[in-house]
Amino acid sequence: EDKVVQSPLSLVVHEGDTVTLNCSYEVTNFRSLLWYKQEKKAPTFLFMLTSSGIEKKSGRLSSILDKKELFSILNITATQTGDSAVYLCAVLTGGGNKLTFGTGTQLKVEL
Amino acid sequence: KAGVTQTPRYLIKTRGQQVTLSCSPISGHRSVSWYQQTPGQGLQFLFEYFSETQRNKGNFPGRFSGRQFSNSRSEMNVSTLELGDSALYLCASSMRLAGDPYEQYFGPGTRLTVT
Repeated sequence: EDKVVQSPLSLVVHEGDTVTLNCSYEVTNFRSLLWYKQEKKAPTFLFMLTSSGIEKKSGRLSSILDKKELFSILNITATQTGDSAVYLCAVLTGGGNKLTFGTGTQLKVEL
Repeated sequence: KAGVTQTPRYLIKTRGQQVTLSCSPISGHRSVSWYQQTPGQGLQFLFEYFSETQRNKGNFPGRFSGRQFSNSRSEMNVSTLELGDSALYLCASSMRLAGDPYEQYFGPGTRLTVT
């Protein structure tokens, strides 16, 4: 059975801190890994990673995939209160568009 | 470009009833997937449709079904509702099914409450 594990489960930081969120996976027929941000609504797409070692960056957020060690990290620098959300990691497997999700990391950024 | 739309946004039903939820994908997207999100189980894959055919199915009972129309709009139906079906139902659309992976974008969801 495909499995995606995220850590930590929750995290409280202060504005300006840098955070690293982890995602490890054990799946068959890996195609790509996706990161989403979910506030009190639908998940918002952040990144899709397909190749090892290539960093994807968007503003203060960046992510990288290690297909040998089967994990990915999501970094957020200079955190702001607006970064408070659940960050979801999902793995795309097989021949279709089925995503297997981790349980998410709840990030809270305080002033 | 308009995003994924889902209707209705909120729904309250009674145990034993049935419900139909609707999803319109992003224009040009042909793959529609449905997910159930609950506090206990997180986000779980229900099924996926592409070109009006179900291509993948998750581990849900037969009470959960779906279909896709020629304009790529999709509906999911839950019959004989149970209290445990209370959840946020999310729909995601993607441009392709096979080949290089393509991003999936989620709609706002339908919050179903079963009493």
